[in-house]
Order: sequence, then structure tokens, then C-alpha cells
Amino acid sequence: AQSVTQLDSQVPVFEEAPVELRCNYSSSVSVYLFWYVQYPNQGLQLLLKYLSGSTLVKGINGFEAEFNKSQTSFHLRKPSVHISDTAEYFCAVTTWDSSYKLIFGSGTRLLVRP
Amino acid sequence: NAGVTQTPKFQVLKTGQSMTLQCAQDMNHNSMYWYRQDPGMGLRLIYYSASEGTTDKGEVPNGYNVSRLNKREFSLRLESAAPSQTSVYFCASSGEPGPYEQYFGPGTRLTVT
Repeated sequence: AQSVTQLDSQVPVFEEAPVELRCNYSSSVSVYLFWYVQYPNQGLQLLLKYLSGSTLVKGINGFEAEFNKSQTSFHLRKPSVHISDTAEYFCAVTTWDSSYKLIFGSGTRLLVRP
Repeated sequence: NAGVTQTPKFQVLKTGQSMTLQCAQDMNHNSMYWYRQDPGMGLRLIYYSASEGTTDKGEVPNGYNVSRLNKREFSLRLESAAPSQTSVYFCASSGEPGPYEQYFGPGTRLTVT
């Protein structure tokens, strides 16, 4: 079975500072990885995904993530955050042997302060 | 193009009451999903439908039933609501079963007293 761990429940950061949100996964087969963002009182929307190929994936709003198979990680980064990036971020994993059902992490709340 | 729509947005039920959450998508997607979101637990899959006419259990199906009414609509029913079902419920859809983007609705906030 697959699992996803987001160790940081909340990450406070000042505006224009860099940020990294951590995600580690567990799986015995090849994985597909996703980051979703949830703005207050809204549904989730896709930030970026890793399916195959280049391990550095670029997404919307200046976010990027790097797939590291040896460390089973898929950390999300942004070099300079804005107030509008305040939201909850979810890492998710899926595999062929789970019928491609998404398994979500518990989420990280990014709080950007002026 | 509304994407994924859910009704109602909010609902308060008493223990033992029943209700149906409605979900519709206008993207001609084959696969649809129901999740619940609880604080500190992320999203957990309740049921999904890989294609019209099929439904399967997810991680937390107990206390719920679903109906894939047609390609557009996928409803979630609580037959006898319990306080443990207080949650925010999200419907999602994707084009095909597979490692593809899921599109989420705005959610239904359900409180069971």
C-alpha cells in the first residue's frame, strides 16, 4: 500500500522569502506524484505533477518540485512567496496497482506574512 | 463551462437523518470520485466510479452509498447520518482512470448534530 507523509502541518514565512514544503512517500512500485493547492473555502486545484522523465517539475504560480527516488521525496519549492500563496498544500501519490486512486498527505498550511 | 458543481454548499443534519449530496461535471469525464476532508487528515476517498455504470469502494466507504446516475452525475447518500460523518465533502472528476489530473468541486460542508 502507498502512503504520503507531510511532516509540517504549518509553515509560516515572510513575503518574498523562499519556501520548501516537504513530502515523503512510501510505495513498493513506481509512483506518480502530485501537489494540489486549496485556497480558503475552495476545492483543490493541481499545482504540478510528476509522471516520468525529468525529475524537476515546474508548475503554476512559480512553484516547482523535485522527485528524488532514492530519498522517496517530492518537495515543493518557491523562490519568493507572495501573500496570495497563503493556502493549504497537499501532496498525493498514485500507482497502477491501486487502480490509480489518489492517496493524499495530511496537508501543509502555508502562511505568508507581510 | 462550470467544471464540477456540488449541491448543497452547507447542510446541517440531526443524527439518523438521511440526505444525498449531488455532484455534476460538464467536462465529459469518465471517472468521478467522492472524498471527505477532515482536519489533519487530508482527503480520503469514499467511493469512486471509473466509468458510467461502475462504482467501487475507496478507503472509507462505511455509512455511505453512491449512484452514478449517468456520465455527468455522481451522488453520495448518507442513509443514517452520524456525528462522525461531520466533514467537508468534495466531488472530483478526471478524464480517464489513470495518473491524470482530478478536477474538484467547491465542496459541501456537512454538520451532523
